[in-house]
Amino acid sequence: QQQVKQSPQSLIVQKGGISIINCAYENTAFDYFPWYQQFPGKGPALLIAIRPDVSEKKEGRFTISFNKSAKQFSLHIMDSQPGDSATYFCAANKAAGNKLTFGGGTRVLVKP
Amino acid sequence: DTAVSQTPKYLVTQMGNDKSIKCEQNLGHDTMYWYKQDSKKFLKIMFSYNNKELIINETVPNRFSPKSPDKAHLNLHINSLELGDSAVYFCASSLSMNNEQFFGPGTRLTVL
Repeated sequence: QQQVKQSPQSLIVQKGGISIINCAYENTAFDYFPWYQQFPGKGPALLIAIRPDVSEKKEGRFTISFNKSAKQFSLHIMDSQPGDSATYFCAANKAAGNKLTFGGGTRVLVKP
Repeated sequence: DTAVSQTPKYLVTQMGNDKSIKCEQNLGHDTMYWYKQDSKKFLKIMFSYNNKELIINETVPNRFSPKSPDKAHLNLHINSLELGDSAVYFCASSLSMNNEQFFGPGTRLTVL
């Protein structure tokens, strides 16, 4: 049973466009929702994270939108750049144990 | 450089062999993790240790045995390697069990 579902699996966007990745979760005990960015041959790196007490968090060109009632959250990459081409993972976590449950990943390709 | 490091980066071995992957962090963290990323890039937690104590053990075959000699090290020993063990293994660490996890660069294990 996949507790965090991520879509789409892949995404192609033109430079300057907006990339949108969606995630849905099932476990209402999750209380921390990070997004990780992974470049080929590298480990995942934390990009931005949100807790369910806020509906939106913005850091530079990256914004998380969070809908607690729908149990959904999304990542928006504004003004996408070729350097943003990577695989993005959403994740969810319960405070106790810090066990990250990852979505399936979205491969983003930004065309110049 | 402060980081999570893993050795080796690549490991190619025959079925039935025993191998180890080493992980070290110099971030002063007290919690360390092992994740497996399969060929479809799906990331799944295997183990976590807090202050050298096993906290999470996710239905991993007992051929996999983590060992934490101290808070800065978490090694993964795998006995009787199988073809299905081929994957990229990531070590991660965090400060306590309720904080951002920092990932190492990964070890690509290929079992022939």
